[in-house]
Amino acid sequence: DQQVKQNSPSLSVQEGRISILNCDYTNSMFDYFLWYKKYPAEGPTFLISISSIKDKNEDGRFTVFLNKSAKHLSLHIVPSQPGDSAVYFCAAGSGTYKYIFGTGTRLKVLA
Amino acid sequence: DTAVSQTPKYLVTQMGNDKSIKCEQNLGHDTMYWYKQDSKKFLKIMFSYNNKELIINETVPNRFSPKSPDKAHLNLHINSLELGDSAVYFCASSQDPGGGPTKRAKNIQYFGAGTRLSVL
Repeated sequence: DQQVKQNSPSLSVQEGRISILNCDYTNSMFDYFLWYKKYPAEGPTFLISISSIKDKNEDGRFTVFLNKSAKHLSLHIVPSQPGDSAVYFCAAGSGTYKYIFGTGTRLKVLA
Repeated sequence: DTAVSQTPKYLVTQMGNDKSIKCEQNLGHDTMYWYKQDSKKFLKIMFSYNNKELIINETVPNRFSPKSPDKAHLNLHINSLELGDSAVYFCASSQDPGGGPTKRAKNIQYFGAGTRLSVL
């Protein structure tokens, strides 16, 4: 049973436009969520996080939104740049060291 | 200077062999992890050690044995390799997260570049 789902395996966006990556979860006990970015042949790198006591967190061009009632979070990248092309993983955790990761969404930003 | 380093980067071996993957972090973190990313791209935690003590042990065959000689190192030894063990294995580390979501920022996990294991 996959508790964290990223239903879009891939997404293409024009440079300068907004990229929206989505993530759904099933476990209402999750209280901390992260987004990681992964380039080929590298490990995932931390991008941005949000705790369940907030519904939005912003860091430069990256904003994460959390809708607890819908068990949904999204990552917005504005404006999108070619260097943002990567695989994006969302992850969720609840009071332990353990995070559950989604299967990732491959973002391609077209120049 | 790489923060979390794994060796080797690639590992090709025959079924039945025993192999090890090494991981070292120079971030001064207390907690280290091993993840497996399979062909379906699921990134699943296998083990976690905090200050050399095992704190997470998911449902992993006992052919997999982690070893933490000190808190900067977490090695993964795999006995009697099987075809299904082929995957990318990632090591990660984090500071002790403490409790509650407001403190969870400490548990940002930093990943190594991965070891691609191919069992033939």
